[in-house]
Amino acid sequence: TQLLEQSPQFLSIQEGENLTVYCNSSSVFSSLQWYRQEPGEGPVLLVTVVTGGEVKKLKRLTFQFGDARKDSSLHITAAQPGDTGLYLCAGVGFNKFYFGSGTKLNVKP
Amino acid sequence: KAGVTQTPRYLIKTRGQQVTLSCSPISGHRSVSWYQQTPGQGLQFLFEYFSETQRNKGNFPGRFSGRQFSNSRSEMNVSTLELGDSALYLCASSLRLAGDEQYFGPGTRLTVT
Repeated sequence: TQLLEQSPQFLSIQEGENLTVYCNSSSVFSSLQWYRQEPGEGPVLLVTVVTGGEVKKLKRLTFQFGDARKDSSLHITAAQPGDTGLYLCAGVGFNKFYFGSGTKLNVKP
Repeated sequence: KAGVTQTPRYLIKTRGQQVTLSCSPISGHRSVSWYQQTPGQGLQFLFEYFSETQRNKGNFPGRFSGRQFSNSRSEMNVSTLELGDSALYLCASSLRLAGDEQYFGPGTRLTVT
C-alpha cells in the first residue's frame, strides 16, 4: 500500500488543455515535493511546498499544499507536448521521502 | 556544477550473481539516498547515507546493502540477484539529510536474467 496515492494514474490530453494531478495521504508531512521524470532519466525536482495552504506557481504550473499538510495538487494550464512525462509527488516525514505511484501525462500536439 | 553521476548506466546480470552500483553526488552534498523504481511498485526508498553512516533504511532484504566513502561517493550492492531485482536504481544527493531537496542521477538500469 502506497503512503501517497496519486490520481489519475494516466492522463492523455490535447495541447492547450488544462489538467490537475492529485496527491493524497492520510499522513501529515513536513513538506511535499513534486518531480517530473522523463524516460531514461532520473526525476527532476519542480517544487517544494512546506506550509499548509501554500500555493506556488512555476510558469504554467501551480502547486498547492493542503491546509492539513496531507495532500497536494499540481495544476497545469495550457499543457504543451514538452510537459509530457511522469509526475511524482514525494512527502517528507521523519527524514524519509515517501513517493507516490506517479501520474503518467501525455500531451498530444 | 556537475550533477549526480551513476555508473554503469546499464547492466545485465544472471540470477545468483551480485552487482555493485556507484553514485557520485553533487560536489558539497553529503547525503546520498538510493531508490529502486519498478513499473509495479514505483519509487521505493532503499537507504540513505550521511557522513559515511547509514541514517535511514527502507523495507528491503539484507541482500541490499550500501556504503558511503569519505568523499561522499556511495556504492550499493545487491547479492544473490533475483529476477525481481530488475529495476531502475536511482541515487539522489542532498546537501544535508534527506529532508533537504534532493537531486537525482540518471539511474542504473539493471536487468536480471
